[in-house]
Order: sequence, then C-alpha cells, then structure tokens
Amino acid sequence: NAGVTQTPKFRVLKTGQSMTLLCAQDMNHEYMYWYRQDPGMGLRLIHYSVGEGTTAKGEVPDGYNVSRLKKQNFLLGLESAAPSQTSVYFCASSDPRGSGANVLTFGAGSRLTVL
Amino acid sequence: EDKVVQSPLSLVVHEGDTVTLNCSYEVTNFRSLLWYKQEKKAPTFLFMLTSSGIEKKSGRLSSILDKKELFSILNITATQTGDSAIYLCAVEASGTYKYIFGTGTRLKVLA
Repeated sequence: NAGVTQTPKFRVLKTGQSMTLLCAQDMNHEYMYWYRQDPGMGLRLIHYSVGEGTTAKGEVPDGYNVSRLKKQNFLLGLESAAPSQTSVYFCASSDPRGSGANVLTFGAGSRLTVL
Repeated sequence: EDKVVQSPLSLVVHEGDTVTLNCSYEVTNFRSLLWYKQEKKAPTFLFMLTSSGIEKKSGRLSSILDKKELFSILNITATQTGDSAIYLCAVEASGTYKYIFGTGTRLKVLA
C-alpha cells in the first residue's frame, strides 16, 4: 500500500517555464490537498478538492492551477514559474467518512527550485 | 481570519528532559486539532483532539485540548535524540474540509 505518492521529487525550473506536479493516492480518499512549505511559514494551503471533478482555492492559490479528473489523482500546475514559487510542495489526502476523523496523510514532498 | 500560533518557534534540550509545546488557535466553529511530527520528509500523524480535557497518550508523548481557552499542548517526557523534529499543529473549522497549520516548533534534542 503506497499511500500518497508525489512526482517528481525534485525539479529545477527557469523563470517563466511551466510544469505539473502529480499526486496519486491509493486509499480511495475523497479529499486531496496541495500545501507549500517555506522556512518559518509552516504549511500553507494552495488548493484542495473534496471530490472528483471539484477544486477550491486555499490560502495562497495565485500562480497555481489544479485538476482532479480522477479520484486518485490531484495535479498541481505552474503556468509561468516565478522565483517566489521556490518551495517544498506537499500533497495530502483524507477521508472523514466512516470514522468521521479527517486525518491528513501526506506524500514525501516535491522540492521545486525556480531560477 | 482563522489562525494557529505555535510556541516556542524553536527549542534545544538535552536527552531526558521533558518539553511542552504550545498551540493556540482562533478558528470559527472549531472541529478538530491535529498534531504532526516532521523529520526530513512528510509530516507523520501523532494525535487528533476534538474534545476538551481528554488526554491522548502514546508512549512518551501526550496531548490535551482546552476548547475554552483555545489551546492545546503536546508533552514529550524523557526526550531522546530521535524526538528531534518539527512539530506541527493544525486546526479544522467545521464544514470547511481544510486544516490551517501553525508555523511549527523545531525541537532539537542533544545527546
């Protein structure tokens, strides 16, 4: 059981380039999230999804887009990367159905550097 | 605006010491509070707290929630070097489906 898998783990981009981070979960979770983590800032929510075909903005959505075409996948896109988007990105999933406990399970992270 | 504040920001102790980490919050319609431990990679789940005054315990770690005063504490007794990590607190507001995280407390345990 892999849990939450993020690809790629590392990426270096030049300003203005585009890229997509992929998150895949095999736990049949309904909810999926993208966070970014910067030194001294904790985890900040970028976008999230409460089900296949739905997405919503979090705290810091500007410069990012997301899609949830399949329940198990949540994609995070950067259309025109900027140095301010240099960060570690974490995907998480959860499902409060059944137990009612909305506990987040995280992927290992993707380190993105924009030059 | 919903917010979560953790203190201290960082802490250095020696093996065997006891530490208390704090998490205070201002959230509309509080639903639950989570504690996570983050070493080099993904945060790993420690505790979920939903009710006031009920202590959750796992080995040397314990946590309690005070919904009246809007805070939680995480205690670690007899610390070990393996406890060195960032400890994150997150709060969910009812009906929002999302957690707001604090900035974390960086704990370093010296041998």
